[in-house]
Order: sequence, then structure tokens, then C-alpha cells
Amino acid sequence: EVQLVESGGVLVQPGGSLRLSCAASGFTFSSYAMSWVRQAPGKGLEWVSAISGSGDSTYYADSVKGRFTISRDNSKNTLYLQMNSLRAEDTAVYYCAKSMVRGVIITNFDYWGQGTLVTVSS
Amino acid sequence: QLVLTQSPSASASLGASVKLTCTLSSGHSNYAIAWHQQQPEKGPRYLMKLNSDGSHSKGDGIPYRFSGSSSGAERYLTISSLQSEDEADYYCQTWGTGIQVFGGGTKLTVL
Repeated sequence: EVQLVESGGVLVQPGGSLRLSCAASGFTFSSYAMSWVRQAPGKGLEWVSAISGSGDSTYYADSVKGRFTISRDNSKNTLYLQMNSLRAEDTAVYYCAKSMVRGVIITNFDYWGQGTLVTVSS
Repeated sequence: QLVLTQSPSASASLGASVKLTCTLSSGHSNYAIAWHQQQPEKGPRYLMKLNSDGSHSKGDGIPYRFSGSSSGAERYLTISSLQSEDEADYYCQTWGTGIQVFGGGTKLTVL
């Protein structure tokens, strides 16, 4: 059974930093690209970033480019999102999601985590 | 620009059928999409991938009541025999070179 479990969401001040983690199990983690998707309170889904299975290729939404860094540790089956220079508009539930097609970075997602809440406020 | 458009809300009665629409932006009518369901206070759940020819592949454990179809730039999700647990937000997703795009979501109310 595929499981994705996010952690690391907390209350942080504007300008601060935070690292989110997503622990994966139930599939060959290194074979699949992974993404982060966020959802601001009462709003829709917004894709944030994607990373290839090997970690060599990364993609970012314009809204986070230069501030967020996606990475992965395939030996630990864990996905990360390093978030710097946080703004109030980054407040959201952050989900990790698994790409459906083995070896393809940008494609649809077939599994999602339960999310972790990041609140940026003074 | 790759954009997905969804109606903000829909409603249908218990036991009835409902058809939700996701519209691809001009020039992207051949794109595949995926449908995801988000029940209140839960993470999204993958329902199916839907191709431009109407063929679709559903996620694990998705009931037969959920089906997809396509016409031009429109992608549809039909839910038959509506149940109370189908009350949820439904999002369509597509993808292009280096980007993922979501529609704004449709909030389905089961009357």
C-alpha cells in the first residue's frame, strides 16, 4: 500500500525558513518523480515543485522560484521542501504527491499525502 | 497559456447522476487531464486519468459509478448513483513542459 506522510509544518514568522518532509512507502521511491502541491485556506490546489526520481531534475512554480528548494534522499525514501524567505501568502496546507508514470517527471499524480499546515504570521 | 476552467459549484440529488466539466484553454484541446476528489478536511484522492479520446484509467478502488469522457477541449467526470460521501471538491489537473496546472475546483453538493 502506497503511503505518503508529510511533516514539519509549523507557525513561522515572515522572512523565516522551514523544511518539510514527506516519508514514502509502498513503492520503489527512486523510480518515481515527486511533487509538492499546496492549498491556501479555503482555496484550490496550487502546484509548487517537482523533482525527478534521481533528483537530477527539478521544476518550480514562478511563485516560489528562488525561495524554495525541492530535494530527495532515496536511501531514506524521503522527499523534502526547503522553504526560505517565507511570506504570508505561503500559508497553506502542503501535500506531497507521487507521479503516476515511472520515469516521467511531469505527469498526473496518483497518490497524495494527508498534508501538513504551514502558517506564516508574526 | 495552459489553463483549466471549472464551474465553482454543482448540485444533484442523492441517487441521481451529475456531470462535472473541465475545459482546456485554446490550443490545448488534445491534452490529457486527471480528476481528483477532495472530501472535507482530507487530502486529495486520485480518481482517473482522462485522455482526449475519452479513454480513461481509474485509480485503485475507485467505484464503477465514476466515469470520464471527452469532447473537444472539454473533459467530463460523471458520477452516477450519487451517495452522500460524493459530496466533495473535484479538481482537474493537466501538465505541460515543466509545469502542472489545476482547475479552480468544483464543489459538489449532494441534496
